[in-house]
Amino acid sequence: SQKIEQNSEALNIQEGKTATLTCNYTNYSPAYLQWYRQDPGRGPVFLLLIRENEKEKRKERLKVTFDTTLKQSLFHITASQPADSATYLCAPGNKLVFGAGTILRVKS
Amino acid sequence: GAGVSQSPSNKVTEKGKDVELRCDPISGHTALYWYRQSLGQGLEFLIYFQGNSAPDKSGLPSDRFSAERTGGSVSTLTIQRTQQEDSAVYLCASSPIQAHNEQFFGPGTRLTVL
Repeated sequence: SQKIEQNSEALNIQEGKTATLTCNYTNYSPAYLQWYRQDPGRGPVFLLLIRENEKEKRKERLKVTFDTTLKQSLFHITASQPADSATYLCAPGNKLVFGAGTILRVKS
Repeated sequence: GAGVSQSPSNKVTEKGKDVELRCDPISGHTALYWYRQSLGQGLEFLIYFQGNSAPDKSGLPSDRFSAERTGGSVSTLTIQRTQQEDSAVYLCASSPIQAHNEQFFGPGTRLTVL
């Protein structure tokens, strides 16, 4: 069955640094991969989608990479801010499966 | 415009009671999804509606769970004979696209079964 792994431990970084979150998946080959942000008590919010033929995608301070050989996506937030603190979920492909998410805490 | 709305925002019920959770998707979105999220866990897919096609019910955990989508818009998730393990946040999402991407989520209904 499909399995998605995200950093189970919270990522704590200092404001201004780059945060890097990892999403690994196994047992399938998604044509695309999505990243969502979830704040406490709220539903997830779509951030970015990257397709299998795109190695990298950027949106403002966000950058996502997609390595179909490694079966891995990296999600980067540059010049991180305390407002970026949230849980970030990855969702590979057109299977209705989301990772458990990684909590990011940006300290000022 | 208005986003996905869900009601109630919180529901406390007693074990064995039936509950109904409502989702109003974004107008014009043909796809509608229900997920369950337990504390500290990821999203668990429950059911998916796409237009007039038969729904994908493969995620429903038991026959106590059912969902309807009337007129291609509003959806109701019903849980019969609730159990304590049903306690979770139930999230609804809609999408204008068929391919499960760019889902727009509602705020969720927090269900507590005593």
